Order: sequence, then C-alpha cells, then structure tokens
Amino acid sequence: EDQVTQSPEALRLQEGESSSLNCSYTVSGLRGLFWYRQDPGKGPEFLFTLYSAGEEKEKERLKATLTKKESFLHITAPKPEDSATYLCAVELGSARQLTFGSGTQLTVLP
Amino acid sequence: GAGVSQSPSNKVTEKGKDVELRCDPISGHTALYWYRQSLGQGLEFLIYFQGNSAPDKSGLPSDRFSAERTGGSVSTLTIQRTQQEDSAVYLCASSSRGGAEAFFGQGTRLTVV
Repeated sequence: EDQVTQSPEALRLQEGESSSLNCSYTVSGLRGLFWYRQDPGKGPEFLFTLYSAGEEKEKERLKATLTKKESFLHITAPKPEDSATYLCAVELGSARQLTFGSGTQLTVLP
Repeated sequence: GAGVSQSPSNKVTEKGKDVELRCDPISGHTALYWYRQSLGQGLEFLIYFQGNSAPDKSGLPSDRFSAERTGGSVSTLTIQRTQQEDSAVYLCASSSRGGAEAFFGQGTRLTVV
C-alpha cells in the first residue's frame, strides 16, 4: 500500500536553531513530491515541488531535498513566523491526486 | 481570479440536511481537486476534475457525496443527508494541469449538529 509518513509529528525549536523535517514514502511510480505549509484556519500554501532524486529547491530559510525513499525539509535559523504545520504530498504514477502525510507541527520559540 | 475562492467559509447545518459547497478555481486552471481535512487529521482526497469531467472519484466516501464542475471553472460539492461524521474542513485546490503544483483555497468549515 502506498504510504507517506512524516516525522516528527511535532517539533519545538528555539529561534535560530536549525533542524530538518522528514517525509518518507513507500510508493511506486512517484511522479512528484510536494511540500506545503499550513497555518491554523487556512488552506495549505504551496512551497516546493521535487521530481527526481538528488533535486534540491530553496526558498528563504527553507531547503527541500529528495532521495529515492524520502525528502527532507531543512529549516535554517528559523524565526517564530516559520511556525506552522508542514505537509508533504506525493503524486503517484497513474493518478492525479496528491496523497498527503499527516504533517509536522513546527513551533519556533522567540 | 487571484486565488482559489471557496464559499461559504463556515457552514453549520442540521443532521439530515443537504449542503452545497462552492469552489472558484484560479482562472485558466484546468485541474480541480476536493479534499477533506478532519480535526487533527491529514488531507483526504475526495475527487479530481480535469476540465468538466471527473476521471477520479475514488475518494468520495459514500453516495451521499457528489460533485460537478461546469464551464471548466466553478465546482460544487454536494453532501446529501449530512451526518455528524461529515463535519470537517472541505478544501478545494486547482492547478494548471493534472499533476502540477496545486493551489488551495481557504476551505469551508462544515459543522453538522
């Protein structure tokens, strides 16, 4: 069965304390992996798309990487405004839907 | 439009009533998705439209749920005879093509009492 697992479920960081979020997947025919950020009471906000192992994307303090079995979202020197739930999703080979992980709730303390 | 628009933003309904949720996608986006997010849960896929057709309805939880899309634009998700377990946030997303990055609306919070 195709699965997407995110870890940790929750992460508390001090401002400036860098860390990484993990998204592992057991799917066949991966077409793309997507990272989203979701703030309370809002819809997910698109961050990155990764298509092939070895690919990296960066945006401000965030950097996403992809291997054949997992993706990492690295957060460098986070700020309190980076606090949110980070979701990863995979697009499978034959479908057009995105299968989402359950998310990592990140809290950055000032 | 500038982004995906959903209405209403909040809906409280009595058990057994029918509800309609509306989604206005980004102009020109041919792919449209509906997802459901229950409290503390991840996003659950409901249905995917490419243009006006729905090649993938696999996520609709029961025959009480239906959706349509007209003119390759606006979509309506209808839930008949609502049940308390239908309470959730219903999210709509659109993308320029199936499989591309999808942009989400703010969601409709449905509460069945």
